[in-house]
Amino acid sequence: DAKTTQPPSMDCAEGRAANLPCNHSTISGNEYVYWYRQIHSQGPQYIIHGLKNNETNEMASLIITEDRKSSTLILPHATLRDTAVYYCIVTAYGQNFVFGPGTRLSVLP
Amino acid sequence: DTGVSQDPRHKITKRGQNVTFRCDPISEHNRLYWYRQTLGQGPEFLTYFQNEAQLEKSRLLSDRFSAERPKGSFSTLEIQRTEQGDSAMYLCASSLAREQSKLFFGSGTQLSVL
Repeated sequence: DAKTTQPPSMDCAEGRAANLPCNHSTISGNEYVYWYRQIHSQGPQYIIHGLKNNETNEMASLIITEDRKSSTLILPHATLRDTAVYYCIVTAYGQNFVFGPGTRLSVLP
Repeated sequence: DTGVSQDPRHKITKRGQNVTFRCDPISEHNRLYWYRQTLGQGPEFLTYFQNEAQLEKSRLLSDRFSAERPKGSFSTLEIQRTEQGDSAMYLCASSLAREQSKLFFGSGTQLSVL
């Protein structure tokens, strides 16, 4: 079973920041938080991952709370092409990913 | 295109038939994974290889399923005596062993068992 809880769906206006939450209250000290997304008719795509520090790359930012029990993926300026299912996954490095149902993000014009 | 390639994109078969899918990973990637995904659900792990060795198999992988990666390059997934419950998207992914956080997925093979 997935160790994370995500809202099933969210809407975001084009050009605004999309903030996708994830709860992982049972996370262990050696487990990372990973985010992938899946655009319709494609396989999942890696976005970002982190252990305890906040991370940023060209796609998104990952904010992890100090107690590591929750995190937020931020897409700073959402576009229509960001419409996808977003998966938050918690697992130790090198262990297999267990995908939950994710959050369906709809970016609206 | 240097991404993960899967063939065929779609397969329709009758119950009881055998089917085989192929995955060509990114050329320098030594890890290869198979996942299955049904409508509205996230992908479920089936098995993975490091080079030609199959290192882990999920309990979801019944004895009707077999995967091979004979030369550590492409992989095949065979389903024998297909059942309607096998209908799903079968996804292949690859990664470098030293960068296991970043899986690169193909677009999948959609299997429909009638």
